[in-house]
Amino acid sequence: GAGVSQSPRYKVAKRGQDVALRCDPISGHVSLFWYQQALGQGPEFLTYFQNEAQLDKSGLPSDRFFAERPEGSVSTLKIQRTQQEDSAVYLCASSFVLDTEAFFGQGTRLTVV
Amino acid sequence: TQLLEQSPQFLSIQEGENLTVYCNSSSVFSSLQWYRQEPGEGPVLLVTVVTGGEVKKLKRLTFQFGDARKDSSLHITAAQPGDTGLYLCAGQPSRGNQFYFGTGTSLTVIP
Repeated sequence: GAGVSQSPRYKVAKRGQDVALRCDPISGHVSLFWYQQALGQGPEFLTYFQNEAQLDKSGLPSDRFFAERPEGSVSTLKIQRTQQEDSAVYLCASSFVLDTEAFFGQGTRLTVV
Repeated sequence: TQLLEQSPQFLSIQEGENLTVYCNSSSVFSSLQWYRQEPGEGPVLLVTVVTGGEVKKLKRLTFQFGDARKDSSLHITAAQPGDTGLYLCAGQPSRGNQFYFGTGTSLTVIP
């Protein structure tokens, strides 16, 4: 595709509900990243994939967070039993390979009520 | 926990003024990037610096990487309202690692 596409753009979840956030990277991009961004703050790294392999998940805040990229293209970030502190913008980025320019999607704004 | 601290956190200036944003860390980075992010959008890459002491210019923006590769600065000359946004630095601890973002500087340029 022309750019990184994330869906949904906005998600409101009741506390305790499970959510799934989707990322469609730029076609052919090997590296894919997920970040969490609080309002007015810099993005915080969550996890990184190279093709279908999740090479680093050190930034996932708890075991309620799970990410997958089963075919090395589309990725899903799943949050189980959402809590209010999970409210944030979740950004996905992709790059051709790790050390090349990363392109970001518009993000999914998650609000947990 | 973010490795890179940016200052100031907020900056509001008049059109035509100059400004500098700082990005500091106690860690050494193999490369450092600067991004600009507008509301409702993802960050967009402005520049990548890789050599200690390197200076890059992009029109009215001047980026400098510290000699020890632990810090960087972004200087904007004659700021314009279109420069308004969240400026982010991001450091790569070593090649083959992902980038870690700074705390961000929110810039507002008043016409």
